[in-house]
Amino acid sequence: GEDVEQSLFLSVREGDSSVINCTYTDSSSTYLYWYKQEPGAGLQLLTYIFSNMDMKQDQRLTVLLNKKDKHLSLRIADTQTGDSAIYFCAETLYGNNRLAFGKGNQVVVIP
Amino acid sequence: EAQVTQNPRYLITVTGKKLTVTCSQNMNHEYMSWYRQDPGLGLRQIYYSMNVEVTDKGDVPEGYKVSRKEKRNFPLILESPSPNQTSLYFCASSLYGGRASNYGYTFGSGTRLTVV
Repeated sequence: GEDVEQSLFLSVREGDSSVINCTYTDSSSTYLYWYKQEPGAGLQLLTYIFSNMDMKQDQRLTVLLNKKDKHLSLRIADTQTGDSAIYFCAETLYGNNRLAFGKGNQVVVIP
Repeated sequence: EAQVTQNPRYLITVTGKKLTVTCSQNMNHEYMSWYRQDPGLGLRQIYYSMNVEVTDKGDVPEGYKVSRKEKRNFPLILESPSPNQTSLYFCASSLYGGRASNYGYTFGSGTRLTVV
């Protein structure tokens, strides 16, 4: 089955790096995603990683995937106040029509 | 601009009074879906549609109906709303469903529903 777990809250100082973690249970996941939700807004796709990759870098974002431990992380370098948001990881399965979301991780950036 | 549009953004209603939340996308996406977001529970899928006239239940379909008569529209219907349906609702669309998911999902801005 699908079950995506995230921790709930993280505070970080502006300019520092922040790391958000996520674990998932279904080893047949094909794509894993990170979404960002700013206050009062919908979810915005930040980045995704295919399950045969270990790492993906996209500007200030680095996604690490540990398939053995079913662990996904998102590192944000040089965190800015505009990065304050709720971050959701999500997984989808080959042939499945659904995205399964974690409960979200609230990141608060302190100036 | 490519987008998913939900209406209304905010709605307060009374128990039992039928309501419809509209969702429209202008990207010619085949796949559309409704989620509800509740504190501590994250996003849970209500219903989804792979294409016109094709709909299926998600994780929490009870108390909801949907229809997909046209590709661009996917309304969410609450025939007899109850207070436990007070939530933040999101509509999302994708070019295809889960199988070609490097496209990701595009989300609407949300509808905050309060049922008293």
